Amino acid sequence: DIVVTQSPDSLAASLGERATINCKSSQSVLDSSNNKNFLAWYQQKPGQPPKLLIYWASTREFGVPDRFSGSGSGTDFTLTISSLQAEDVAVYFCQQYYGIPLTFGGGTKVEIK
Amino acid sequence: QVQLVESGGGVAQPGRSLRLSCAASGFTFTDYGMHWVRQAPGKGLEWVAIISNDGRNKYYADFVKGRFTISRDNSKNTLYLQMNSLRAEDTALYYCAKTGGYCGGGTCYANYWGQGTLVTVSS
Repeated sequence: DIVVTQSPDSLAASLGERATINCKSSQSVLDSSNNKNFLAWYQQKPGQPPKLLIYWASTREFGVPDRFSGSGSGTDFTLTISSLQAEDVAVYFCQQYYGIPLTFGGGTKVEIK
Repeated sequence: QVQLVESGGGVAQPGRSLRLSCAASGFTFTDYGMHWVRQAPGKGLEWVAIISNDGRNKYYADFVKGRFTISRDNSKNTLYLQMNSLRAEDTALYYCAKTGGYCGGGTCYANYWGQGTLVTVSS
């Protein structure tokens, strides 16, 4: 199984500050045949289901604010919130969909300082 | 708009069975694979199973193999999860989720999620 590890477990940043979440997979999730990384990011607010933010490691889902961006390739990935807003308070999960079973990171809780 | 509505959760004793359903609308159901993903109270997300758009291909997490069966009825736009031999550790909110399309390799990310149905396994 591909193990996905997120860091940090939680972070607190001031409004307008940059927030960065890291995700590392135990093996590469890059498909060299199409140069796509099988890595997605989700946001989950309290009492709500997860919401897709980013897929293919860096493609923003329709309607997701452009302050959210994804980067990385192979085994190391980053979700960046360029200017933290109050509505971004949530838990963020990365997920690899390269191999079966699909696996999620443990989540990163983002709060406002 | 895409809607996914899960039902069938409840309280079950260890060793018993439950069948979850997920009614889909707002998209062409036959074009997309579907996931089940679960979340134990206060915990992270755990992928359970995926089924291809035509129902021919099914993949499972190891911890449910042989106990859970994913299926779909494309004439009813409905996804199912038959859960047998339930254990206390199966207690979770179960989400159905639509795949983003064809990603290759039988899997894909999930671009829409239902609100979930709660399964509690307790004697």
